Amino acid sequence: GENVEQHPSTLSVQEGDSAVIKCTYSDSASNYFPWYKQELGKRPQLIIDIRSNVGEKKDQRIAVTLNKTAKHFSLHITETQPEDSAVYFCAAVWDSGGGADGLTFGKGTHLIIQP
Amino acid sequence: DGGITQSPKYLFRKEGQNVTLSCEQNLNHDAMYWYRQDPGQGLRLIYYSQIVNDFQKGDIAEGYSVSREKKESFPLTVTSAQKNPTAFYLCASSSPDREETQYFGPGTRLLVL
Repeated sequence: GENVEQHPSTLSVQEGDSAVIKCTYSDSASNYFPWYKQELGKRPQLIIDIRSNVGEKKDQRIAVTLNKTAKHFSLHITETQPEDSAVYFCAAVWDSGGGADGLTFGKGTHLIIQP
Repeated sequence: DGGITQSPKYLFRKEGQNVTLSCEQNLNHDAMYWYRQDPGQGLRLIYYSQIVNDFQKGDIAEGYSVSREKKESFPLTVTSAQKNPTAFYLCASSSPDREETQYFGPGTRLLVL
């Protein structure tokens, strides 16, 4: 089955600086890669996703890049703000088109924005 | 994801007891999922269902059971066979238009007395 590794486990950056979180996956058949943000005690919220036919996707201060050859994808947050502080999870799945299976998640990155 | 509800918010289980966690959605989503989250860990898939009256085991199905008698509902039973049930349980669902995109309910925190 799929295995997703996520690094770092904790990331502390100064407010206004950029943050990068990296994930690798094992199953070359995986073709959908979402990122979730989870605040303490709350549900994970989808913040951005990318499919394997695209190399990069951007939404305001958030971007995701995908390298299919190396089987890794990254989350980039620019101009970080205090409200960006949370745990971020990457995930991967193979969507066969016949109904999606469950996601395989990384273990999460605790992002801390220092004022 | 506001259309996905889970109850109760907190649940206490005694030794040897089965407990059932509720998950309901009014989004007309076909697929529903159950995940378990332990402190400092990512989410792990317990069971999922792509259609009514059908479901598949995930990575950690042992000690759990599910049913999918209605499209809107996907209850999870934590049986006495699950020896370490303390965790945050999250239900998710996905739209038939974008089956791979999952939206989560607010979660149920299960504690063992």
